[in-house]
Amino acid sequence: DAGVTQSPTHLIKTRGQHVTLRCSPISGHKSVSWYQQVLGQGPQFIFQYYEKEERGRGNFPDRFSARQFPNYSSELNVNALLLGDSALYLCASSLGRADTQYFGPGTRLTVL
Amino acid sequence: RKEVEQDPGPFNVPEGATVAFNCTYSNSASQSFFWYRQDCRKEPKLLMSVYSSGNEDGRFTAQLNRASQYISLLIRDSKLSDSATYLCVVNQAYQTGANNLFFGTGTRLTVIP
Repeated sequence: DAGVTQSPTHLIKTRGQHVTLRCSPISGHKSVSWYQQVLGQGPQFIFQYYEKEERGRGNFPDRFSARQFPNYSSELNVNALLLGDSALYLCASSLGRADTQYFGPGTRLTVL
Repeated sequence: RKEVEQDPGPFNVPEGATVAFNCTYSNSASQSFFWYRQDCRKEPKLLMSVYSSGNEDGRFTAQLNRASQYISLLIRDSKLSDSATYLCVVNQAYQTGANNLFFGTGTRLTVIP
């Protein structure tokens, strides 16, 4: 079975631009969570979506938004990019709302 | 104060050695506990869940002390392939309503031939 997939794998943007990251969960999983991992740190929670509704939000500015589609895939959007947004963005899927999370390979975003 | 605190290391140990990692968590209401492993430039992968009674998976043993809010991971007979960063993780899902994993900064392990 396919695991969590994310696209693109790498992305380079400049300050002020907008970016959209995509995630497809493991087949049958209904929950998707997004994390940001800055170099040298552990991942930090951004959002959780379950059954297409936002179920949790971490301490991130409103420039970060997300949504989940009827097929349970998800997009993370970041507006007005800052240099500090450079990070590995990880998507994790879980079967239910509070189940074990499995991570995708991540999208490495570089903001110049 | 951080939700999860870990010694970042690095730990450099010879093959066959036993190595122990520790972490502490700040929220006594945390319900689920895990160790994830992360290889360089890869995603975190679940190594094992941690239960109050302690649990073992091959060469790996995890312990949880709820009273001290302390989690440990013991690796016996270290292999070169164990070289990675080990992330201590807690979940407060039932309290927060969100499946929000709190990660430590990770402890880097290098096993030397």
